[in-house]
Amino acid sequence: ETGVTQTPRHLVMGMTNKKSLKCEQHLGHNAMYWYKQSAKKPLELMFVYSLEERVENNSVPSRFSPECPNSSHLFLHLHTLQPEDSALYLCASSAAGLAGPTGELFFGEGSRLTVL
Amino acid sequence: RKEVEQDPGPFNVPEGATVAFNCTYSNSASQSFFWYRQDCRKEPKLLMSVYSSGNEDGRFTAQLNRASQYISLLIRDSKLSDSATYLCVVSTVGGSQGNLIFGKGTKLSVKP
Repeated sequence: ETGVTQTPRHLVMGMTNKKSLKCEQHLGHNAMYWYKQSAKKPLELMFVYSLEERVENNSVPSRFSPECPNSSHLFLHLHTLQPEDSALYLCASSAAGLAGPTGELFFGEGSRLTVL
Repeated sequence: RKEVEQDPGPFNVPEGATVAFNCTYSNSASQSFFWYRQDCRKEPKLLMSVYSSGNEDGRFTAQLNRASQYISLLIRDSKLSDSATYLCVVSTVGGSQGNLIFGKGTKLSVKP
């Protein structure tokens, strides 16, 4: 069983909807990440939180809005998405501090998003 | 030039075969290197780190050539359960949490 859980596993939404993806880690880590995985493209880092503070935002459109209320929970709020935003959204956590990840990211199983 | 480049495959091999994957990276300041494995419709998981001197974990051998900016993964005696996509991952150290760069992955299919 994974130490990082994501809900929902599948989501279909229209372009005018507002929805949220949720991630919870049970590993005692202090850094959490959102990645986007599209077909035939490498994993793309979207956001990083370390000790609940956002430390990275990789030029992600404002229609994606992250929230990290505590070190165990991470949300990705979605609004007015486009069909090209359809992808697998992966949450991950790591134990490292601001020095950077050791290389071991623990991923959740992902939320597969389809935007109609 | 892409930051981390891998042959996408697929590599279709029979059980028992030896298969090698290659990966090149563009940033000479890269410090740490890893192979992740991603099964179909599952999340990526760390397979092994890659050390300068090369390292082995059972049937898996990883090697690094810093001069050529090249990383390899060798799988001996392939099993059906080795079928997955293998992701080459490179890290630069620079104070940022988000410094892991993923390749697109190489797909391996091991057939009976």
